[in-house]
Amino acid sequence: DSGVTQTPKHLITATGQRVTLRCSPRSGDLSVYWYQQSLDQGLQFLIQYYNGEERAKGNILERFSAQQFPDLHSELNLSSLELGDSALYFCASSPRTGDVYEQYFGPGTRLTVT
Amino acid sequence: AQSVTQLDSHVSVSEGTPVLLRCNYSSSYSPSLFWYVQHPNKGLQLLLKYTSAATLVKGINGFEAEFKKSETSFHLTKPSAHMSDAAEYFCVVSALSSMDSSYKLIFGSGTRLLVRP
Repeated sequence: DSGVTQTPKHLITATGQRVTLRCSPRSGDLSVYWYQQSLDQGLQFLIQYYNGEERAKGNILERFSAQQFPDLHSELNLSSLELGDSALYFCASSPRTGDVYEQYFGPGTRLTVT
Repeated sequence: AQSVTQLDSHVSVSEGTPVLLRCNYSSSYSPSLFWYVQHPNKGLQLLLKYTSAATLVKGINGFEAEFKKSETSFHLTKPSAHMSDAAEYFCVVSALSSMDSSYKLIFGSGTRLLVRP
């Protein structure tokens, strides 16, 4: 158990809908990262927040957004969902930001768009 | 730009025999490198990391990896495979973005390890 929690575990929704994925980092970790894992794209970095502020962006679509709250939990919002958004979404956390800090991954949220 | 290439998409070994999962990296500077494992329907777990200290890195569950700068490789090995090692393994490089000076993890495409009884 990494100490990172994600809810919900599974999510099934229809095209065009909007969903929110939630992540609670390990106690004391200030950085939160979001990743998408799909069969065709593999594991891709989406976005990072550090202590409440956006720190880095990866291959995140404009339909997607995220935020980190004062208690350091984070939410990833996916809107106008398309079939291709079906994937596993992982959250990870690390104590700080920087390449020497390993990231601890949550169990993921499996999103199915029908 | 930093990248990693995992040379085998699938590796099959017999229980009790050595494991070798190959990874080559590309980086314009001395990178931080990681190996993560993903068991079916689970999140990713860190096996080991290299951050410019000792070139031979020991990880959990008997895995180790050697950083070879001359070969730009970071292969993962284990002397004796167990059935519980069957999983997907990802080689990862930490990449510095020139746009926002942040570090991002770049994942390889993964190697699925099958362990035969």
